[in-house]
Amino acid sequence: EVQLVQSGAEVKKPGTTVKISCKVTGYTFTDYYIHWVQQAPGKGLEWMGRVDPEDGDTKYAEKFQDRVTITADTSTDTAYMELSSLRSEDTAVYYCAANGVFYYGLDVWGQGTTVTV
Amino acid sequence: QSALTQPPSASGSPEQSVTISCTGTSSDVGGYKYVSWYQQHPGKAPKLMIYDVTKRPSGVPDRFSGSKSGNTASLTVSGLQAEDEADYYCISYAGNNNWVFGGGTKVTVL
Repeated sequence: EVQLVQSGAEVKKPGTTVKISCKVTGYTFTDYYIHWVQQAPGKGLEWMGRVDPEDGDTKYAEKFQDRVTITADTSTDTAYMELSSLRSEDTAVYYCAANGVFYYGLDVWGQGTTVTV
Repeated sequence: QSALTQPPSASGSPEQSVTISCTGTSSDVGGYKYVSWYQQHPGKAPKLMIYDVTKRPSGVPDRFSGSKSGNTASLTVSGLQAEDEADYYCISYAGNNNWVFGGGTKVTVL
């Protein structure tokens, strides 16, 4: 079964860094990009960036460019999203999603990770 | 990159149709065929409903359809059912490996 399983909820102090994991099972990890999406409480979805697990190439949204780092570990089939200099506005649910496993879109999603700053 | 524009809300009675718009620019919606739509129920992860503007994944009811004209994409839900009540988001490729979401539309079944 294709699954993206994310790490658990985090509570962080302002100014610190959070790192969330996204473990992939059920398909070849390096075949499809992993994207990260932020959803603040009561707000919409916001694209943060993506990683190509095959070569580690990344692309970040301008809003998060200076504070986000997305990586992929092919030894454990796990993607990571690290967000630094946390502030209260970063309180949100963060989702990872795979692009194109079955269809050309974000077709497989993690369960979400709540980060409270 | 500015968010795509969606109406905050839409509603319809059971069995009626509702159409949600997603307006961008020629640099995103109008420039590429890569618009997809997601349904999100409260407390749940989003679910892919439409990809490549008009294509429907297996398992998604054919009541859901997508289209695009110029810089505006649309999602139509025909024959509304109670379980269609949810938030809906569009996302478009915006070039240079960038993607941009719409602000979301809350669909209410009256």
